[in-house]
Amino acid sequence: GQQLNQSPQSMFIQEGEDVSMNCTSSSIFNTWLWYKQDPGEGPVLLIALYKAGELTSNGRLTAQFGITRKDSFLNISASIPSDVGIYFCAGQLVWGNEKLTFGTGTRLTIIP
Amino acid sequence: EPEVTQTPSHQVTQMGQEVILRCVPISNHLYFYWYRQILGQKVEFLVSFYNNEISEKSEIFDDQFSVERPDGSNFTLKIRSTKLEDSAMYFCASGDRGLGSYNSPLHFGNGTRLTVT
Repeated sequence: GQQLNQSPQSMFIQEGEDVSMNCTSSSIFNTWLWYKQDPGEGPVLLIALYKAGELTSNGRLTAQFGITRKDSFLNISASIPSDVGIYFCAGQLVWGNEKLTFGTGTRLTIIP
Repeated sequence: EPEVTQTPSHQVTQMGQEVILRCVPISNHLYFYWYRQILGQKVEFLVSFYNNEISEKSEIFDDQFSVERPDGSNFTLKIRSTKLEDSAMYFCASGDRGLGSYNSPLHFGNGTRLTVT
C-alpha cells in the first residue's frame, strides 16, 4: 500500500523560531492534507492542497503541494507555545471522500 | 462550528468481550469513516461507509469488525471479540462531498481510547 514518510520525526525549537517539515511518498496523491493532533484529541485539519504546485497559507502556516504530486511541505513561522503537538500529512488518491493515508508524524516541542 | 462527537472517551474491556464505539457525525455529512491509532503510531484507515453500506475497508477490518448506522444520526463500530492488539484510539470521521468534488476534507472526532485487558 501507499506510504507517506515524514521528516523530521521530531523537532525541538525555541519559541519564535520558524519550523519546516515535509512529507514524501513513493506514490502520487491528488490531494494532500496537513493535520495537527494534540494529546488525547483527534486530528484537526490545518491546510488542504488540491493542485500540484499549489501554495496555500493559513495564518502562520504555509504548505505546498509538490509538482511531482509525491511530496508536500509545511512551514510554521514564528512558533508559539500552542504549536506544540504532532503534525501529520495525509494523502488522498482521488478527490472527494476517498480514504486518507496518513504519514508517520512530526512531533514538535517548544523549548522555553 | 459543527463537530464529530464520539462516546465513550475511554472504554476498558476484557479480552473476548464485545464493544461498541459510538459516533455522531456532522449532521449534513454523507460519508463516514473509522480510523485507528495505536499508541505512538500513525493514524490508519479502517473502513468507509456511504449510502448504508461499506464502500471500502482495510485488511485490519476483519470479520470481528462491523459498522452500522442504526438511525439518522449515529454511526457505530462494533468489535465482536476483542483482542489485546485492538487496544488503540479509534477515530470517527465524516465528510460532505462525493467523489470528484473539491473541498471535502475529513472532520475527525476526539476519539475513543479502547483498552483491552
